[in-house]
Amino acid sequence: QLQLQESGPGLVKPSETLSLTCTVSGGSISSSDYYWGWIRQPPGKGLEWIGSIFYSGNTYYNPSLKSRVTISLDTSKNQFSLKLSSVTAADTAVYYCARLGLTGEVDCWGQGTLVTVSS
Amino acid sequence: DIQMTQSPSTLSASVGDRVTITCRASQSISSWLAWYQQKPGNAPKLLIYKASNLESGVPSRFSGSGSGTEFTLTISSLQPDDFATYYCQQYKSYSRLTFGGGTKVEIK
Repeated sequence: QLQLQESGPGLVKPSETLSLTCTVSGGSISSSDYYWGWIRQPPGKGLEWIGSIFYSGNTYYNPSLKSRVTISLDTSKNQFSLKLSSVTAADTAVYYCARLGLTGEVDCWGQGTLVTVSS
Repeated sequence: DIQMTQSPSTLSASVGDRVTITCRASQSISSWLAWYQQKPGNAPKLLIYKASNLESGVPSRFSGSGSGTEFTLTISSLQPDDFATYYCQQYKSYSRLTFGGGTKVEIK
């Protein structure tokens, strides 16, 4: 059974870089059958796709975040990571890592981790 | 970007009611639409993909229809476990995935 688990600091200072890791168990991120991605949800608000990565390393980013986002893979650890630079209070959200089908539907989600941007 | 608009934003219903949620796309997305259910404190859960395909393990009272720009999620007989927020998502363009604003289904 596939499981995804986010990890990383729950508090980040403004202007710094938010870094999260997603550990995948029960499946391989080296599979050519799926993408791996990040989605966030500000408190009390809707869902926003951040970006996705394929096993080959190809990435797709939300245009509104593209200049600040990097998603990468670590196949040796079966993990993928998110870095979001120059954060502000508007980046406070629950961050979910997820598996996406080849067409783009999200078929498996991590439990989510709340990241607060505050000094 | 393709904008996704859901209506209503909140819906009050009773157990046993037939419930319909609408999602409209700002341009045609063919059938590249998914529906998710989210309960408070939990991650969303995939219900429907490619507009009308039921995800494995999802009860058959859930159904999806539509193509192009207008889509619906129907719950044929609302159950206590179905009170939640529902989101649509378009995936016509993999480089620009977008979600609707959500529809909260409340107890009447």
